Amino acid sequence: DAGITQSPRHKVTETGTPVTLRCHQTENHRYMYWYRQDPGHGLRLIHYSYGVKDTDKGEVSDGYSVSRSKTEDFLLTLESATSSQTSVYFCAISGVVGGATEAFFGQGTRLTVV
Amino acid sequence: GENVEQHPSTLSVQEGDSAVIKCTYSDSASNYFPWYKQELGKRPQLIIDIRSNVGEKKDQRIAVTLNKTAKHFSLHITETQPEDSAVYFCAANEAAGNKLTFGGGTRVLVKP
Repeated sequence: DAGITQSPRHKVTETGTPVTLRCHQTENHRYMYWYRQDPGHGLRLIHYSYGVKDTDKGEVSDGYSVSRSKTEDFLLTLESATSSQTSVYFCAISGVVGGATEAFFGQGTRLTVV
Repeated sequence: GENVEQHPSTLSVQEGDSAVIKCTYSDSASNYFPWYKQELGKRPQLIIDIRSNVGEKKDQRIAVTLNKTAKHFSLHITETQPEDSAVYFCAANEAAGNKLTFGGGTRVLVKP
């Protein structure tokens, strides 16, 4: 498997509390992404990063912030968790290796906001 | 930026029949088109990809075709089996920076 790990894998938190999810890669890929996936929905892009300290919003960015202080780490923060943010969160990475693009997903984080 | 549309959103086929999923993309400079399979409760996994210098690629029962002129690519699964039941995602890169954009997904159900 590609070197991408998410932590934690499962989390239950209370409404109004801050939550940070971590994505760590060992592939040195340029791009990192955070998606959420809800039942009946596909992958919806929250934020992505194209380099250290370079990030941009996706289609469902409200209520989320991100940071990338190192190539290998991409953090997703819910400043004040709400029940609507209960979801499965996937991190992904993409980059070019030997002239060819490759992309992989992390194992996912199941977040429940109660 | 890149826009990827995927159809159909759900597909039900009889075991042994073929399944075809189609995607269109907007960035004419895109040159990498992967397909992912996501089984229930698991992460999306790369199953096949195609680059713009070829028109078709096969791997056992799955194949992908690419039409760069029309800006669409398709996933073909032949002799479908129950284990092919999953959600399939297509994607395309933005050639300028290699950022990937995903389609909305297709839920495939293979009926025994």
